[in-house]
Amino acid sequence: DQQVKQNSPSLSVQEGRISILNCDYTNSMFDYFLWYKKYPAEGPTFLISISSIKDKNEDGRFTVFLNKSAKHLSLHIVPSQPGDSAVYFCAAPRGGSQGNLIFGKGTKLSVKP
Amino acid sequence: DTGVSQNPRHKITKRGQNVTFRCDPISEHNRLYWYRQTLGQGPEFLTYFQNEAQLEKSRLLSDRFSAERPKGSFSTLEIQRTEQGDSAMYLCASSSKTGLSYEQYFGPGTRLTVT
Repeated sequence: DQQVKQNSPSLSVQEGRISILNCDYTNSMFDYFLWYKKYPAEGPTFLISISSIKDKNEDGRFTVFLNKSAKHLSLHIVPSQPGDSAVYFCAAPRGGSQGNLIFGKGTKLSVKP
Repeated sequence: DTGVSQNPRHKITKRGQNVTFRCDPISEHNRLYWYRQTLGQGPEFLTYFQNEAQLEKSRLLSDRFSAERPKGSFSTLEIQRTEQGDSAMYLCASSSKTGLSYEQYFGPGTRLTVT
């Protein structure tokens, strides 16, 4: 079963506009969430995270919002830049001391000049 | 801090051959993870080390797969008798045991093609 879901395989936005990437999860025990960005032929790069005790975390152009009641989180990128074009993965630690990550399938963001 | 490195970056092998990949984590990180990523999927967890101890293995890790982390530094992932279904990107990640941080730092991956 897929515990972390990214239902939009792709998203295209204009440079300067807002990009909103969505992620849903099914396991209410998840208490931490991370977003990774991946360029072709590279490994995923950590972008931003949020603990379940918060509903928002901001880092520069990137903001993650968490809605625990809806089991939904979103990543906002404002303003979007062509260099943001990449695949974005939502992830959650499985739990316990190990913390291995469970990833969604990713959303490919294309930012057009 | 040079980041996580993986070697080789690409490996093409014939079905039935054995292959071995190496991962060098960030030096002060005591946790090391192996993931596998196939086209259109996110990375899937394979196994995890804390220092030299292998603490967990996914059911994805069949008995043809073995991983080691001698002396708690670099790690190797070996696949014996490779099958075409093993073709994937193999990613290594490391992290340090600090508080509530679950951040893992990934290497560039090793792309395996089994022909």
